[in-house]
Amino acid sequence: QVQLQESGPGLVKPSQTLSLTCTVSGDSISSGSSYWNWIRQPAGKGLEWIGRIYTGGSTSYNPSLKSRVTISVDTSKNQFSLKLSSVTAADTAMYYCAREVAAITGDFDYWGQGTLVTVSS
Amino acid sequence: QTVVTQEPSFSVSPGGTVTLTCGLSSGSVSPSYYPSWYQHTPGQAPRTLIYTTNTRSSGVPDRFSASILGNKAALTITGAQADDESDYYCVLYMGGGIYVFGTGTKVTVL
Repeated sequence: QVQLQESGPGLVKPSQTLSLTCTVSGDSISSGSSYWNWIRQPAGKGLEWIGRIYTGGSTSYNPSLKSRVTISVDTSKNQFSLKLSSVTAADTAMYYCAREVAAITGDFDYWGQGTLVTVSS
Repeated sequence: QTVVTQEPSFSVSPGGTVTLTCGLSSGSVSPSYYPSWYQHTPGQAPRTLIYTTNTRSSGVPDRFSASILGNKAALTITGAQADDESDYYCVLYMGGGIYVFGTGTKVTVL
């Protein structure tokens, strides 16, 4: 059974960098067929796709966040990470990591339970 | 930036049928956007219902079906049940590895 688990600080100060890690079990990030995504949901709002990474390191990002987002992978730890710089209160959200089972399917078949990140001084 | 639009809310009677749609602020949705549909109940992770236009995910009841209707993607719930009360999101592939979620539809069963 594939499981994903988000971890990281629940509180980040404005203008700082939000850093989250997703630990994957039951599947190998380096297996080659899956894409690894970050998705968020601000309170009271809809889901927003942030970006994804493929094993080889190729990434794609939401154009509206691209200048502030970096997604990376650590195959030795079977983890992938999100960094979002220069955060504001608008970045307060539940952050999810999710597996896209194969390219261009839109099938995010496994998700973490989500981690709430609040941006506040 | 492209906006993917959904109806804000729908109400359906138990046993009834409801069709949710997913459109583009400019242009038409086609299979080349690989539309997928998610059910999201607060406090839980979203669940895939449909991917690549009309492929039902494993374990999803066949009362959920999807298609392209006119210039939009559509999700139909036939024989709605109480536990179908949830938020529903479509997702479109925009090319270049980029996805966009729709604005979401809140479905109430009463």
